[in-house]
Amino acid sequence: DFQMTQSPSSLSASVGDRVTITCRASQGFSNALAWYQQKEGKAPEVLIYATSTLQSGVPSRFSGSGSGTDFTLTITSLQPEDVATYYCQKYDDGPLTFGGGTKVEIK
Amino acid sequence: QVTLKESGPVLVKPTETLTLTCSVSGFSLNNDRMGVSWIRQPPGKALEWLAHIFSSDRRSYCTSLNSRLTISKDTSKSQVVLTMTNMDPVDTATYFCARIREGAESHAFDVWGRGTMVTVSS
Repeated sequence: DFQMTQSPSSLSASVGDRVTITCRASQGFSNALAWYQQKEGKAPEVLIYATSTLQSGVPSRFSGSGSGTDFTLTITSLQPEDVATYYCQKYDDGPLTFGGGTKVEIK
Repeated sequence: QVTLKESGPVLVKPTETLTLTCSVSGFSLNNDRMGVSWIRQPPGKALEWLAHIFSSDRRSYCTSLNSRLTISKDTSKSQVVLTMTNMDPVDTATYFCARIREGAESHAFDVWGRGTMVTVSS
Protein backbone atom coordinates (compact mmCIF):
# COMPACT_ATOMS: atom_id res chain seq x y z
CA ASP A 1 0.00 0.00 0.00
CA PHE A 2 1.21 3.50 -0.82
CA GLN A 3 2.02 5.50 2.32
CA MET A 4 3.00 9.07 3.15
CA THR A 5 4.99 9.34 6.40
CA GLN A 6 5.05 12.78 7.91
CA SER A 7 7.43 13.97 10.63
CA PRO A 8 7.43 15.19 13.26
CA SER A 9 3.90 14.44 14.44
CA SER A 10 4.00 17.58 16.56
CA LEU A 11 6.32 20.45 17.31
CA SER A 12 6.50 23.50 19.52
CA ALA A 13 8.48 26.53 18.38
CA SER A 14 8.84 30.19 19.22
CA VAL A 15 7.46 33.07 17.20
CA GLY A 16 10.00 33.90 14.51
CA ASP A 17 11.53 30.42 14.41
CA ARG A 18 12.11 28.51 11.21
CA VAL A 19 9.98 25.36 11.11
CA THR A 20 10.48 22.36 8.81
CA ILE A 21 8.05 19.49 8.26
CA THR A 22 8.95 16.50 6.12
CA CYS A 23 6.90 14.00 4.18
CA ARG A 24 8.32 10.75 2.83
CA ALA A 25 6.49 8.62 0.27
CA SER A 26 6.79 4.85 0.14
CA GLN A 27 7.25 5.11 -3.64
CA GLY A 28 8.45 7.91 -5.85
CA PHE A 29 5.88 9.87 -7.84
CA SER A 30 5.47 13.07 -9.82
CA ASN A 31 5.60 16.56 -8.33
CA ALA A 32 1.88 16.37 -7.46
CA LEU A 33 2.44 16.96 -3.78
CA ALA A 34 0.33 19.42 -1.80
CA TRP A 35 0.49 20.84 1.71
CA TYR A 36 -2.65 21.79 3.63
CA GLN A 37 -3.19 23.79 6.79
CA GLN A 38 -6.08 22.85 9.05
CA LYS A 39 -7.07 25.06 11.96
CA GLU A 40 -9.15 23.71 14.80
CA GLY A 41 -12.72 23.02 13.78
CA LYS A 42 -12.19 24.07 10.15
CA ALA A 43 -11.78 22.37 6.81
CA PRO A 44 -8.23 22.11 5.46
CA GLU A 45 -6.91 24.80 3.12
CA VAL A 46 -4.29 24.27 0.47
CA LEU A 47 -1.05 26.16 1.04
CA ILE A 48 1.22 24.67 -1.61
CA TYR A 49 0.62 22.52 -4.69
CA ALA A 50 2.92 20.99 -7.29
CA THR A 51 5.50 20.57 -4.50
CA SER A 52 6.57 24.23 -4.41
CA THR A 53 3.87 26.53 -5.86
CA LEU A 54 2.24 28.83 -3.34
CA GLN A 55 -1.54 29.00 -3.53
CA SER A 56 -2.84 32.50 -4.15
CA GLY A 57 -3.11 34.51 -0.94
CA VAL A 58 -0.77 32.33 1.10
CA PRO A 59 2.00 34.26 2.90
CA SER A 60 5.47 33.97 1.40
CA ARG A 61 6.90 32.63 4.68
CA PHE A 62 5.54 29.26 3.55
CA SER A 63 7.56 27.31 1.01
CA GLY A 64 7.78 23.76 -0.29
CA SER A 65 10.48 21.68 -1.89
CA GLY A 66 11.42 18.12 -2.73
CA SER A 67 11.12 15.42 -5.36
CA GLY A 68 10.73 11.69 -5.77
CA THR A 69 9.97 10.41 -2.28
CA ASP A 70 11.05 13.27 0.01
CA PHE A 71 9.22 16.55 0.38
CA THR A 72 9.48 19.47 2.80
CA LEU A 73 7.29 22.30 4.04
CA THR A 74 9.14 25.23 5.57
CA ILE A 75 7.79 28.18 7.54
CA THR A 76 10.62 30.71 7.60
CA SER A 77 9.32 32.82 10.49
CA LEU A 78 6.60 31.19 12.57
CA GLN A 79 3.66 33.47 13.42
CA PRO A 80 0.92 32.99 16.03
CA GLU A 81 -1.67 32.53 13.28
CA ASP A 82 0.28 29.53 11.96
CA VAL A 83 -0.88 27.38 14.88
CA ALA A 84 -2.57 24.51 13.05
CA THR A 85 -2.11 20.95 11.85
CA TYR A 86 -0.35 20.53 8.53
CA TYR A 87 -0.86 17.65 6.10
CA CYS A 88 0.93 16.58 2.95
CA GLN A 89 -0.94 14.78 0.18
CA LYS A 90 -0.13 13.04 -3.08
CA TYR A 91 -2.81 14.05 -5.57
CA ASP A 92 -1.79 12.89 -9.06
CA ASP A 93 -3.73 9.61 -9.19
CA GLY A 94 -5.32 7.09 -6.85
CA PRO A 95 -4.76 6.58 -3.97
CA LEU A 96 -4.73 10.27 -3.05
CA THR A 97 -3.02 9.60 0.25
CA PHE A 98 -2.55 12.09 3.08
CA GLY A 99 0.32 12.13 5.55
CA GLY A 100 -0.45 11.66 9.22
CA GLY A 101 -0.27 15.35 10.06
CA THR A 102 2.02 17.65 12.05
CA LYS A 103 0.55 19.72 14.85
CA VAL A 104 2.35 23.05 15.20
CA GLU A 105 2.15 24.99 18.45
CA ILE A 106 3.76 28.15 19.80
CA LYS A 107 6.23 27.71 22.64
CA GLN B 1 -18.31 31.38 -6.45
CA VAL B 2 -17.31 27.75 -6.07
CA THR B 3 -18.90 25.92 -3.15
CA LEU B 4 -19.31 22.36 -1.96
CA LYS B 5 -21.77 21.32 0.72
CA GLU B 6 -22.03 17.94 2.40
CA SER B 7 -25.32 16.53 3.63
CA GLY B 8 -26.48 13.30 5.19
CA PRO B 9 -27.55 11.70 8.45
CA VAL B 10 -26.04 12.84 11.72
CA LEU B 11 -26.50 9.45 13.34
CA VAL B 12 -26.42 5.95 11.89
CA LYS B 13 -26.64 2.58 13.58
CA PRO B 14 -23.95 -0.10 13.36
CA THR B 15 -24.30 -2.31 10.26
CA GLU B 16 -26.36 0.34 8.45
CA THR B 17 -25.37 1.92 5.15
CA LEU B 18 -24.35 5.58 5.14
CA THR B 19 -25.26 7.76 2.17
CA LEU B 20 -23.67 11.21 1.91
CA THR B 21 -24.29 13.84 -0.75
CA CYS B 22 -21.91 16.58 -1.87
CA SER B 23 -23.77 19.37 -3.66
CA VAL B 24 -21.49 21.55 -5.76
CA SER B 25 -21.96 24.93 -7.38
CA GLY B 26 -19.79 27.25 -9.44
CA PHE B 27 -18.37 24.51 -11.63
CA SER B 28 -19.54 21.56 -13.70
CA LEU B 29 -18.94 17.92 -12.80
CA ASN B 30 -18.65 16.85 -16.42
CA ASN B 31 -17.40 19.80 -18.45
CA ASP B 32 -14.67 21.48 -16.44
CA ARG B 33 -12.15 18.64 -15.87
CA MET B 34 -13.04 18.68 -12.20
CA GLY B 35 -12.93 15.71 -9.88
CA VAL B 36 -14.37 15.35 -6.39
CA SER B 37 -13.10 13.35 -3.44
CA TRP B 38 -14.52 12.33 -0.11
CA ILE B 39 -12.21 12.61 2.88
CA ARG B 40 -12.97 11.87 6.52
CA GLN B 41 -11.49 12.80 9.87
CA PRO B 42 -12.30 10.97 13.11
CA PRO B 43 -12.36 13.24 16.17
CA GLY B 44 -8.81 14.30 17.05
CA LYS B 45 -7.27 12.22 14.27
CA ALA B 46 -5.77 12.70 10.83
CA LEU B 47 -7.41 13.18 7.46
CA GLU B 48 -8.15 9.98 5.56
CA TRP B 49 -8.85 10.03 1.83
CA LEU B 50 -11.74 7.70 0.95
CA ALA B 51 -12.75 7.91 -2.69
CA HIS B 52 -12.47 10.02 -5.83
CA ILE B 53 -14.51 10.41 -8.98
CA PHE B 54 -12.89 11.93 -12.04
CA SER B 55 -14.61 14.06 -14.66
CA SER B 56 -14.41 11.02 -16.96
CA ASP B 57 -16.44 9.05 -14.36
CA ARG B 58 -13.44 6.88 -13.47
CA ARG B 59 -13.40 6.05 -9.76
CA SER B 60 -10.63 5.40 -7.26
CA TYR B 61 -10.97 4.06 -3.72
CA CYS B 62 -8.97 3.80 -0.52
CA THR B 63 -7.58 0.26 -0.55
CA SER B 64 -8.51 -0.58 3.03
CA LEU B 65 -12.18 0.45 2.58
CA ASN B 66 -12.60 -0.44 -1.09
CA SER B 67 -15.18 -3.18 -0.51
CA ARG B 68 -17.46 -0.86 1.49
CA LEU B 69 -17.38 2.29 -0.64
CA THR B 70 -19.19 3.43 -3.75
CA ILE B 71 -18.82 6.90 -5.24
CA SER B 72 -21.05 8.20 -8.00
CA LYS B 73 -22.18 11.48 -9.49
CA ASP B 74 -25.33 12.98 -10.91
CA THR B 75 -24.18 15.76 -13.19
CA SER B 76 -27.73 17.03 -13.77
CA LYS B 77 -28.10 17.64 -10.04
CA SER B 78 -24.44 18.71 -9.52
CA GLN B 79 -24.07 16.10 -6.82
CA VAL B 80 -21.50 13.51 -5.83
CA VAL B 81 -22.75 10.69 -3.65
CA LEU B 82 -20.76 8.39 -1.37
CA THR B 83 -22.18 5.23 0.12
CA MET B 84 -20.42 3.29 2.84
CA THR B 85 -21.84 -0.05 3.90
CA ASN B 86 -21.69 -1.91 7.21
CA MET B 87 -21.03 1.15 9.37
CA ASP B 88 -19.16 0.71 12.65
CA PRO B 89 -18.50 3.05 15.58
CA VAL B 90 -14.91 3.49 14.31
CA ASP B 91 -16.41 5.19 11.25
CA THR B 92 -17.54 8.08 13.45
CA ALA B 93 -15.95 11.11 11.80
CA THR B 94 -16.41 14.40 10.02
CA TYR B 95 -16.83 13.69 6.32
CA PHE B 96 -15.60 16.30 3.83
CA CYS B 97 -15.91 16.58 0.09
CA ALA B 98 -13.36 18.56 -1.92
CA ARG B 99 -12.77 19.34 -5.57
CA ILE B 100 -9.65 19.17 -7.68
CA ARG B 101 -8.92 20.37 -11.20
CA GLU B 102 -7.36 17.54 -13.17
CA GLY B 103 -4.17 17.68 -15.17
CA ALA B 104 -1.25 20.07 -15.33
CA GLU B 105 -3.34 23.05 -14.16
CA SER B 106 -4.29 21.34 -10.90
CA HIS B 107 -4.05 23.28 -7.65
CA ALA B 108 -4.71 20.12 -5.60
CA PHE B 109 -7.88 20.21 -3.47
CA ASP B 110 -8.47 23.93 -3.64
CA VAL B 111 -12.07 24.09 -2.43
CA TRP B 112 -13.52 22.06 0.43
CA GLY B 113 -16.93 21.75 1.98
CA ARG B 114 -17.34 22.52 5.68
CA GLY B 115 -17.82 18.88 6.51
CA THR B 116 -20.62 16.89 8.09
CA MET B 117 -20.24 15.00 11.35
CA VAL B 118 -21.51 11.42 11.34
CA THR B 119 -21.81 9.41 14.55
CA VAL B 120 -22.21 5.64 14.49
CA SER B 121 -24.00 4.39 17.56
CA SER B 122 -26.86 2.11 18.51
